[in-house]
Amino acid sequence: EVQLVESGGGLVQPGGSLRLACTASAFTFRSYWMNWVRQAPGEGLEWVANIKEDSSERNYADSVKGRFTISRDNAKNSLFLQMNSLRVDDTAVYFCARGGRPHAFDFWGQGTMVAVSS
Amino acid sequence: QSALTQPPSVSGSPGQSVTISCTGTSSDVGGYNRVSWYQQPPGTAPKLMIHEVSNRPSGVPDRFSGSKSGNTASLTIAGLQAEDEADYYCASYTRINTFYVFGTGTKVIVL
Repeated sequence: EVQLVESGGGLVQPGGSLRLACTASAFTFRSYWMNWVRQAPGEGLEWVANIKEDSSERNYADSVKGRFTISRDNAKNSLFLQMNSLRVDDTAVYFCARGGRPHAFDFWGQGTMVAVSS
Repeated sequence: QSALTQPPSVSGSPGQSVTISCTGTSSDVGGYNRVSWYQQPPGTAPKLMIHEVSNRPSGVPDRFSGSKSGNTASLTIAGLQAEDEADYYCASYTRINTFYVFGTGTKVIVL
């Protein structure tokens, strides 16, 4: 069974940094685009970033461009999101999601909570 | 890039059909057959229900169907069941700034 498990969330002050990780299992990780999607408390979903199978292409939402960096380690079946210059409005549950269907997210992790507050 | 527009809520009795609309522009919904739909019960992760406008992944009941006309996509749930009560989100590829855009979300209420 495909599994995605996020980690690394927590409470951080505005301007701080955090690195999220997502560990994948039960599928060939290196063969799929991977995504980060977030959901602020009580709000809808917002796509954050994605990365191609071989890391040759990365895309970001305007709201995080220049502050967040997506990366992956195919040898360790892991996806990462380095978040710098965090703002209060970055507070959300962050999900990793597999791009297993053309332009769709077919499996999701349970999410990790990031709270940005002073 | 603004979120795609969905109604805040739709409701129906068990056995009835409900349809959720998702309105975008020619730069996203109307320009590509790259619309997907997700079901999210409270406190859980989203689940893919429809991809590429009208394709159902294996395991998704055939009560769920998708379509598109112009800049508006739709998700129809036929034979509504209590377990269908959840938030539903559409999403589309977009050529404007960001890569994907989600809808505002619709709460399906089973009366």
